[in-house]
Amino acid sequence: DTAVSQTPKYLVTQMGNDKSIKCEQNLGHDTMYWYKQDSKKFLKIMFSYNNKELIINETVPNRFSPKSPDKAHLNLHINSLELGDSAVYFCASSQASGFGNTIYFGEGSWLTVV
Amino acid sequence: DQQVKQNSPSLSVQEGRISILNCDYTNSMFDYFLWYKKYPAEGPTFLISISSIKDKNEDGRFTVFLNKSAKHLSLHIVPSQPGDSAVYFCAASRGGAGNMLTFGGGTRLMVKP
Repeated sequence: DTAVSQTPKYLVTQMGNDKSIKCEQNLGHDTMYWYKQDSKKFLKIMFSYNNKELIINETVPNRFSPKSPDKAHLNLHINSLELGDSAVYFCASSQASGFGNTIYFGEGSWLTVV
Repeated sequence: DQQVKQNSPSLSVQEGRISILNCDYTNSMFDYFLWYKKYPAEGPTFLISISSIKDKNEDGRFTVFLNKSAKHLSLHIVPSQPGDSAVYFCAASRGGAGNMLTFGGGTRLMVKP
């Protein structure tokens, strides 16, 4: 009964491939996010969706395309993978997108591009 | 440009003693601050938060202090336990920014038995 679950947990793929990471939350939250933790261990926001609508896009390359079929799911599709895309990707959710809403994270997806 | 900084990459403390983790920020628009704890191969777990209208918030062994004039916050853990060993991330957000969190680089806390 994991609150925010994402799959796969580990993914090794070659440059140029297209891959997807799926995320689901069972908390009934309205807002979902994708964060990226890079090699320097910094966690940075990529996208935020509120009720399936995009509200934050932090200058992420067009190769990254989030898709939210419903408010409980936010999948991340990455085209033409590059070496620099290797990172840990965290899905997260919160009750709403406003001030003071605690964000809950999934366990992360370790992406390695070779 | 890092708007949230945790200048100590690691901290080692004896079990039972106090752990103090520090965080500095540069953006005066930040008005909500959070601490997350992260174990290896897991996602960050929410620990405690504080609004900018307060200067202290306490939850059991965890207390967060906010000094707005210094743009500094700290997390105190008393008493420290071996299970507290993890990486601690400070994060900040501002109203109207869609609840976007800006994270510090983390501090690895090691509590020795």
